[in-house]
Amino acid sequence: QVQLVQSGAEVKMPGASVKISCKASGYTFTSTSIHWVRQAPGQRLEWMAWINTGNGDTRYSQNLQGRLTVTRDKYARIAYMELSNLRSDDGAVYYCARQDFFDIWGQGTVVTVSS
Amino acid sequence: EVVLTQSPATLSLSPGERATLSCRASQSVSTYVAWYQQKPGQSPRLLIFDASNRATGIPARFSGSGSGTDFTLTISSLEPEDFAVYYCQQRTNWPPITFGQGTRLDIK
Repeated sequence: QVQLVQSGAEVKMPGASVKISCKASGYTFTSTSIHWVRQAPGQRLEWMAWINTGNGDTRYSQNLQGRLTVTRDKYARIAYMELSNLRSDDGAVYYCARQDFFDIWGQGTVVTVSS
Repeated sequence: EVVLTQSPATLSLSPGERATLSCRASQSVSTYVAWYQQKPGQSPRLLIFDASNRATGIPARFSGSGSGTDFTLTISSLEPEDFAVYYCQQRTNWPPITFGQGTRLDIK
């Protein structure tokens, strides 16, 4: 069964960093890309970043560039998203999704930013 | 950046009725549009990709059409489980990939 399983909820202080994992199973990890998307409460989906799981190439949202890093461990079949210098408006549900038309999504990781 | 505008914001219909949801792009996106369904507390689910192709396992009552700047998601006869929020998404000339603001489909 094709699935993406994300790491659990996080609570962080403003200024801290968060790193979320997305473990793939049921398909050839390096054959398709992974995207990261977030959704703040009551807001639309916001695309964040893309990683080519084969060669590691990345693309980022201009709004987040400088604070956002996506990586992958192709042997462990895991993609990672790290967001630094967290602000209160970074509180959201963070998703990983497969392929450029997002056919499979992770279950989401809730990130709360609070002092 | 391509801006997607969905209409209406909310659509109130009864089971068995036909639903027509619209997505308009600020510039041409060819047919690189997808539609997603999201229920409360759940991840989005892909319904339609490349404007008119149903994703695996999606019932035939869901159909998509359009090209260029105007796109439509049609649900031919609403089932109780179809009441949710629907988002369109475009993936031409990215980054960034962008989403519409969503249409909430409510039970009348």
